[in-house]
Amino acid sequence: GAGVSQSPSNKVTEKGKDVELRCDPISGHTALYWYRQSLGQGLEFLIYFQGNSAPDKSGLPSDRFSAERTGGSVSTLTIQRTQQEDSAVYLCASSLDISSYNEQFFGPGTRLTVL
Amino acid sequence: GQNIDQPTEMTATEGAIVQINCTYQTSGFNGLFWYQQHAGEAPTFLSYNVLDGLEEKGRFSSFLSRSKGYSYLLLKELQMKDSASYLCAVNTGFQKLVFGTGTRLLVSP
Repeated sequence: GAGVSQSPSNKVTEKGKDVELRCDPISGHTALYWYRQSLGQGLEFLIYFQGNSAPDKSGLPSDRFSAERTGGSVSTLTIQRTQQEDSAVYLCASSLDISSYNEQFFGPGTRLTVL
Repeated sequence: GQNIDQPTEMTATEGAIVQINCTYQTSGFNGLFWYQQHAGEAPTFLSYNVLDGLEEKGRFSSFLSRSKGYSYLLLKELQMKDSASYLCAVNTGFQKLVFGTGTRLLVSP
């Protein structure tokens, strides 16, 4: 596609439920990243993929968070047993590869609200 | 640890010049990015610096001093549409970006 797309754009869920967030990167981009942006906070790195592999999962806040990527394209971020502190905007980005100079192109984000 | 500092908010007048500073202390350094983010929208790329010096791109310029852990974004001939948050981000390795909290710039007529 023309840009990074994410779905849903908004998600409201009840505490304790599981949610799945989807990211479609720019076609041909091998690297994909997930970030979280909480109110008044900077973007927080969660995880990145090179192809289908996630070499660095250190940013995931807890074991309730997981992510996968299939076919070197679409990625899903799953949050199990959601908590109110999980409320944030979840941003996905992609880049050509993981070379340092490559800019990351961001999607519009999914705003997650946990009641 | 990783620490990136930017002013929280700045104001400027249309047509003026504004400089947004960013200081960083990170465990690794593979370049520094500046992104622009309008309210409710995705961040968009503005500049990338990996060597010391000034990079100029139209109305926007970015400067880096690695020895001082310092960068700035210079915006000239400010326009109302430049009202946005400006995010400083350090690539600490393998494209792992560490972001500052952003500087909200308000441009007034």
